[in-house]
Amino acid sequence: DSGVTQTPKHLITATGQRVTLRCSPRSGDLSVYWYQQSLDQGLQFLIQYYNGEERAKGNILERFSAQQFPDLHSELNLSSLELGDSALYFCASSVLLGGADGYTFGSGTRLTVV
Amino acid sequence: TQLLEQSPQFLSIQEGENLTVYCNSSSVFSSLQWYRQEPGEGPVLLVTVVTGGEVKKLKRLTFQFGDARKDSSLHITAAQPGDTGLYLCAGASNTGNQFYFGTGTSLTVIP
Repeated sequence: DSGVTQTPKHLITATGQRVTLRCSPRSGDLSVYWYQQSLDQGLQFLIQYYNGEERAKGNILERFSAQQFPDLHSELNLSSLELGDSALYFCASSVLLGGADGYTFGSGTRLTVV
Repeated sequence: TQLLEQSPQFLSIQEGENLTVYCNSSSVFSSLQWYRQEPGEGPVLLVTVVTGGEVKKLKRLTFQFGDARKDSSLHITAAQPGDTGLYLCAGASNTGNQFYFGTGTSLTVIP
């Protein structure tokens, strides 16, 4: 157990639907990062939050959004889902803003869009 | 986006053999990390290198950061089946706000 909790572990949904992925960071970590991992794209950075504020954006689609709540947990919202959104979605956390202390990853949410 | 290319993409070797995985970029990184990911799990941090030319050893794994801080290598001595997994390098962005991950090397060690 890494200390980063992601739910749900698996999610199957239809095209056009909206889903919410949840992440609880490791205790004491203020930074939360979201990554998408697919076979052909590798591990792609989506977005980062630090202590409730958005700090960096990567290749995140406009159909996707995220937020970090006062208790530091984070949610990634994916809407108007397409088949190509099927992937593993990872949340990671770190103590330091830039992750120089290393990222601690959760076990991921496997999203399948049918 | 700062691109990190890893080679080889796939590697299948016999137990006891040695191997080297490479991580290359045209960008300079302030630090670089290596992770190992097993199926169904998230990546796990192995090491962080910060200084150009730095060499770190973790049991049978040796990590080196290039002098110009644009590349890195991971050498495994006497590979074991437990070393099987996806190895990812990650370089710190210019802003230092996040790490960009490499394309990955999938290693299979055959007993």
